Amino acid sequence: RKEVEQDPGPFNVPEGATVAFNCTYSNSASQSFFWYRQDCRKEPKLLMSVYSSGNEDGRFTAQLNRASQYISLLIRDSKLSDSATYLCVVNFPHPDDYKLSFGAGTTVTVRA
Amino acid sequence: DTEVTQTPKHLVMGMTNKKSLKCEQHMGHRAMYWYKQKAKKPPELMFVYSYEKLSINESVPSRFSPECPNSSLLNLHLHALQPEDSALYLCASSVSGTGRGEKLFFGSGTQLSVL
Repeated sequence: RKEVEQDPGPFNVPEGATVAFNCTYSNSASQSFFWYRQDCRKEPKLLMSVYSSGNEDGRFTAQLNRASQYISLLIRDSKLSDSATYLCVVNFPHPDDYKLSFGAGTTVTVRA
Repeated sequence: DTEVTQTPKHLVMGMTNKKSLKCEQHMGHRAMYWYKQKAKKPPELMFVYSYEKLSINESVPSRFSPECPNSSLLNLHLHALQPEDSALYLCASSVSGTGRGEKLFFGSGTQLSVL
């Protein structure tokens, strides 16, 4: 089983729509969760951390479900500029500490 | 704009060449990373330096040789690469490299083509 698995997409949505997708992780000892966004041929950029109680940043809402071992990202009122690949990042126990593992990404395309 | 600077942005090299990728950050971070990313795939971790010591080597072939001269600089020395090594090479930094709640800050990457 992969350490981090994501809805592959692509999600093709009209402007103004709401889109949501999930990411599952395999290790119950994971303790840090992030969403990064990556535009084509660019570097990943941190979108938001994901906290136990869920958190919101403008139009973006992230949730964590520890019991079922998944995190989610919801984008409200989609903009054309939200078109990107969204990478789920989770930390995993490593011999001396933790290391971060990336999901394969969910592609979102917002159309006019 | 990214606070992690990578050079060069593009590199074309032959299989017998020796080249180096460079990465620099001035955020006071003590951990630096090399990732490799192929098209339409997620970044794959190659190396982690924490406090200037190599803490993670993900079984990377010896034709890739990392070097961390100080806490702000990270190099990746390349020698006798194969065409399948063509990829985007990303440098990142974080506060300490423990992986606990740490956010990664990425450079814009070096697009490497091996002919």
